[in-house]
Amino acid sequence: DIQMTQSPSSVSASVGDRVTITCRASQGISSWLAWYQQKPGKAPKLLIYAASSLQSGVPSRFSGSGSGTDFTLTISSLQPEDFATYYCQQANSPFTFGPGTKVDIK
Amino acid sequence: EVQLVESGGGLVQPGRSLRLSCTASGFTFGDYAMSWVRQAPGKGLEWVGFIRSKAYGGTTEYAASVKGRFTISRDDSKSIAYLQMNSLKTEDTAVYYCTKIQLWLYSFDYWGQGTLVTVSS
Repeated sequence: DIQMTQSPSSVSASVGDRVTITCRASQGISSWLAWYQQKPGKAPKLLIYAASSLQSGVPSRFSGSGSGTDFTLTISSLQPEDFATYYCQQANSPFTFGPGTKVDIK
Repeated sequence: EVQLVESGGGLVQPGRSLRLSCTASGFTFGDYAMSWVRQAPGKGLEWVGFIRSKAYGGTTEYAASVKGRFTISRDDSKSIAYLQMNSLKTEDTAVYYCTKIQLWLYSFDYWGQGTLVTVSS
């Protein structure tokens, strides 16, 4: 199975900061990668699919890039509602998620 | 509006069975693959398994941790997906989410609110 890692595991940031989260696959997955945001007590929400495509309704401050084994999620200007945990997911069955990155308030 | 509503969670003893249901609305259920994802308390997300649409054979795939114990099925006439969980273990304790899979892309574009399954004696 393909293993996913994320870094950092947590990041403290301020409103307006640029935040970058990295996801790495244990083998090449082309662009078969998605990113999700999860807030406490809520279901995850799809942000990015196919590595760089923005899901409908997601603010444009979120962007994704990468292919092969290395991917990034960037929040260009952090907003109060963006404090959450972010997960990557590789989309080749058996699907696997990264361990998550918690973005909290500095 | 797409809605996914899980039901059937609760407290169950180790070794027993439980069946979860996911009732879908707001889209043509039969055209899409459906999946289950779980989250143990305080932990990350774990994919459980998925079922393809009938157009792609309605076949299933599972995570190694549940293969042989869990079975996913679907009733397209009722727009319901099921997760049959047998031989439950304490480590199966989690919130179970039903998800809709994006066509061709295998990302999970809609999620239910989740249902808690607690396996304990």
